[in-house]
Amino acid sequence: GAGVSQSPSNKVTEKGKDVELRCDPISGHTALYWYRQRLGQGLEFLIYFQGNSAPDKSGLPSDRFSAERTGESVSTLTIQRTQQEDSAVYLCASSSWTSEQFFGPGTRLTVL
Amino acid sequence: GEDVEQSLFLSVREGDSSVINCTYTDSSSTYLYWYKQEPGAGLQLLTYIFSNMDMKQDQRLTVLLNKKDKHLSLRIADTQTGDSAIYFCAESHQGTTDSWGKLQFGAGTQVVVTP
Repeated sequence: GAGVSQSPSNKVTEKGKDVELRCDPISGHTALYWYRQRLGQGLEFLIYFQGNSAPDKSGLPSDRFSAERTGESVSTLTIQRTQQEDSAVYLCASSSWTSEQFFGPGTRLTVL
Repeated sequence: GEDVEQSLFLSVREGDSSVINCTYTDSSSTYLYWYKQEPGAGLQLLTYIFSNMDMKQDQRLTVLLNKKDKHLSLRIADTQTGDSAIYFCAESHQGTTDSWGKLQFGAGTQVVVTP
């Protein structure tokens, strides 16, 4: 596609439920990033995939958060046993080795 | 750990120049960026500068980098109402074989342009 796409655009869930967020990067981009933006705050880095290298998981806030990426394509961010503090916009970005990061529109997650 | 700080709010009159400031702590930063976020829109890269540069100009935008003081600024000339948005400063450092690296963002500066 022309840009980074994410689904769903909005997700409302109950506390304690698991959620999966999806990111489709720009075709050919080897790097994929997940960030979180809480209301009124900047973006926090969560996890980074680069080609076949081991992902950089240093930003994941707890073991309830995990992410997978199949090759150089789709990535899924999973949050288990959601808490209210997980409410945020989750943004995905992708880049090539020579380019800046291009961001998707984000998934707004609301945990009730 | 690394930290990026910005002032939270800036009000400017239409036609004036805006200056948004940012400080960072990571001396190994390779790239420094300015992103723009408008309500309901995605995050848009405005401009970036390599850490070995002092200045970069792109139309109405001028980026100044003081590496010694770890201070970055964005000047918008002839500010328009369409420039009203949140502006984020960010930094990254590139590894030897990977991409430009994960971004460390500031909290954002809300710029309000008044007629």
